[in-house]
Amino acid sequence: QVQMVQSGAEVKDSGASVKVSCKVSGYSVSELSIHWVRQAPGKGLEWMGGFDPEDGVTVYSRDLKGRLSLTEDTSTNTAYMELSTLRFEDTAVYYCARDRLHCTNGVCIRYFDPWGQGTLVTVSS
Amino acid sequence: QSALTQPASVSGSPGQSITISCTETSSDLGDYNYVSWYQQHPGTAPKLIIFDVSNRPSGVSDRFSGSKSGNTASLTISGLQSEDEADYFCTSYISTTATTTWVFGGGTKVTVL
Repeated sequence: QVQMVQSGAEVKDSGASVKVSCKVSGYSVSELSIHWVRQAPGKGLEWMGGFDPEDGVTVYSRDLKGRLSLTEDTSTNTAYMELSTLRFEDTAVYYCARDRLHCTNGVCIRYFDPWGQGTLVTVSS
Repeated sequence: QSALTQPASVSGSPGQSITISCTETSSDLGDYNYVSWYQQHPGTAPKLIIFDVSNRPSGVSDRFSGSKSGNTASLTISGLQSEDEADYFCTSYISTTATTTWVFGGGTKVTVL
């Protein structure tokens, strides 16, 4: 059973970068498709990017492309999300989630499960 | 621009049934696939409750059901209980000629009266 545990809360100055980790257990991180989703205070969920298991490439939200970097370290079985040039509006809880793909007889299903517990990133203006 | 529109709030009394809609709107004629629904209680991570439009993961109450008609997916909660009070989000995978992306609905706050 896949479990994902994220790093602790961060406070950053505007213009700085933040790197959040998502440590995976129960499976090899290289065999998973990890995505990142964020949620600003009192707001909805916003997809940021992740590894697309159907296309075999990492895809990024158009709104974040250029500032977002998604990587993984197989030696520690950990996925990372790094967001640069932080702005006040980047203040949010950041979640990692597994993009689970099942295909049977050419029919596929996909969903996000499980999710990490979330990491609060606060950007001071 | 692709979007999923949900009502901001839905309420019901204990024991009643409520339905949350999730309507696909796209100006770029994308294909919407893999509709799923997530429940989120305050201060916790989202939890998968419906995948592939109408399938429930193991352990999720059968009071939760999903369906889709045309460009609108729906989540129905039957026999509403106090613990169902939470935010609910739909999501869909959208592929167009230019890109592929996941989109979330804005979320619906369910209140049990």
